[in-house]
Amino acid sequence: SQQGEEDPQALSIQEGENATMNCSYKTSINNLQWYRQNSGRGLVHLILIRSNEREKHSGRLRVTLDTSKKSSSLLITASRAADTASYFCATVPDSNYQLIWGAGTKLIIKP
Amino acid sequence: ETGVTQSPTHLIKTRGQQVTLRCSSQSGHNTVSWYQQALGQGPQFIFQYYREEENGRGNFPPRFSGLQFPNYSSELNVNALELDDSALYLCASMTDSYNEQFFGPGTRLTVL
Repeated sequence: SQQGEEDPQALSIQEGENATMNCSYKTSINNLQWYRQNSGRGLVHLILIRSNEREKHSGRLRVTLDTSKKSSSLLITASRAADTASYFCATVPDSNYQLIWGAGTKLIIKP
Repeated sequence: ETGVTQSPTHLIKTRGQQVTLRCSSQSGHNTVSWYQQALGQGPQFIFQYYREEENGRGNFPPRFSGLQFPNYSSELNVNALELDDSALYLCASMTDSYNEQFFGPGTRLTVL
């Protein structure tokens, strides 16, 4: 079973707009990670945020974590057509080091 | 490029057959995980190996088995294939710090 749930399931925006995706999880975590997947191929790690961090930035990516609400958000600013992909959050529980995945958000950037 | 490779890229099998999928991890990555990803869904954890020993398993039957070798390669074996086994199979390796995972491109398995 999957712990994470991404919201929305699909998002379509115009190039240049910001895209926000949300992730909720169920158990306490060591860290939460966001990955990107193009066309059903391998996943690429984007950013990791630890349970004691609240916000993290990497280029056009901004991730927030609210452990009290067991939720995280991924913001992509100034979106580009090349950002079109599926985005997944994955959590590492306190109890082990196995990543637990959500079902993903499919992001489409219209040129 | 993550430095993780998988073979074959695509595979077609018939129900009841057996299949072996292969993964080559980055040197120094002692942990390898295998995932099954059905179309439109997130990856499902199959199992994880650390230094050639299985140290975690998801909700998959025993006909899914694996091996990890000292040269950082690993295998996923599936016996008695079923139609529902059709999926993208991903392997991922990581260092002992258990941070990010490095994924291979996957093997697309189709069971007819």
